[in-house]
Amino acid sequence: GENVEQHPSTLSVQEGDSAVIKCTYSDSASNYFPWYKQELGKRPQLIIDIRSNVGEKKDQRIAVTLNKTAKHFSLHITETQPEDSAVYFCAASGSGGSYIPTFGRGTSLIVHP
Amino acid sequence: DSGVTQTPKHLITATGQRVTLRCSPRSGDLSVYWYQQSLDQGLQFLIQYYNGEERAKGNILERFSAQQFPDLHSELNLSSLELGDSALYFCASSVEGTGVTEQYFGPGTRLTVT
Repeated sequence: GENVEQHPSTLSVQEGDSAVIKCTYSDSASNYFPWYKQELGKRPQLIIDIRSNVGEKKDQRIAVTLNKTAKHFSLHITETQPEDSAVYFCAASGSGGSYIPTFGRGTSLIVHP
Repeated sequence: DSGVTQTPKHLITATGQRVTLRCSPRSGDLSVYWYQQSLDQGLQFLIQYYNGEERAKGNILERFSAQQFPDLHSELNLSSLELGDSALYFCASSVEGTGVTEQYFGPGTRLTVT
């Protein structure tokens, strides 16, 4: 089955800096890669996603890049703010027609004011 | 607000007991997924229902079962509860028409087994 590795597990940055979270996946047939933000005790919220026919997608301060050859995708947050502090999860799905996402273990992002 | 609702928000019960968690998907979504999130395990997929039928199973224990009703709401039943079942339980819904689509999570049920 699919295996998703996510790094780093913890990321600490100063307000205004950029943050990058990286994920790798094992199944080249996966074709959908969402990113979720989860604040403490709350639900995971979809913040951005990318499909395998696109290399990059941007939404304001958030961007996701996908390298299908290397089987990795990354989340980029620019001009970080304290409210960006949360756990971020990447996921991969679509392999073999399955809609079930395989999640990474999460990255705890801490933005210091 | 994702449009997915879950009840109850919190549940405290004793070992050996049985509980039922409820989820209502977003309007128009036919698919419901259940996930367990504990501190050391991340988000673990349990089971998926699509339009009333079980579609996929993940790491769901035999003590756990689920169903999806004609009005598309779903229930997750947890029985013979153990301390290790304490976790956040999320449901998510999606449309799932012709391809992989995004999932929207409910607020979760925090289960504490004492």
